[in-house]
Amino acid sequence: QVQLQESGPGLVKPSETLSLTCTVSGGSVSSGSYYWSWIRQPPGKGLEWIGYIYYSGSTNYNPSLKSRVTISVDTSKNQFSLKLSSVTAADTAVYYCARVPYDFWSGSPLYYMDVWGKGTTVTVSS
Amino acid sequence: QSALTQPASVSGSPGQSITISCTGTSSDVGSYNLVSWYQQHPGKAPKLMIYEVSKRPSGVSNRFSGSKSGNTASLTISGLQAEDEADYYCCSYAGSSTFLVFGGGTKLTVL
Repeated sequence: QVQLQESGPGLVKPSETLSLTCTVSGGSVSSGSYYWSWIRQPPGKGLEWIGYIYYSGSTNYNPSLKSRVTISVDTSKNQFSLKLSSVTAADTAVYYCARVPYDFWSGSPLYYMDVWGKGTTVTVSS
Repeated sequence: QSALTQPASVSGSPGQSITISCTGTSSDVGSYNLVSWYQQHPGKAPKLMIYEVSKRPSGVSNRFSGSKSGNTASLTISGLQAEDEADYYCCSYAGSSTFLVFGGGTKLTVL
């Protein structure tokens, strides 16, 4: 049973870089059967897709965040990570990591998240 | 402002059926059979309930069903139970520039 666990600082100062890691257990980030994604949820608001990565390092990002986001994968640690630069209070949210199944026939992700981490709260404040 | 439009709230009594709509455009819901639905209880992570418009993951009750007509997708919950009270979010693939968009969420109240 695969499990995902987010970790990282709960408080980040404005203009700094938010850094989070998602550790995968019970499965492998190197599995070609999945992409690995980040999603966030501001307090009292809805979900926002941030981006995803394949074990090969191939990424896609939300166009509205693309200039500030980097998602990377560390297969040796069975982890993938999120960096969001130049944060403001608007980046305060619960950040979730999730798994996205991959369709070998089309060569694309299947664009739904079937396993989620529990989420981690990040507050941007001085 | 979310890319997909959902009603803010719906309600129903135990045993009844309810439907939550998710309206997009011809660039997302209308063009791809890649709509998914998530259930989120307060303080918890979202849970996948429906994928590819109408498919149910293993372990999800068959009381949950999905459909799509044109630019609008729908989630129907039959035989409402108290445990179904939660927020529900739709999500759709929106092409190779935008990728994934969510609805604003619908709060389901079981009366």
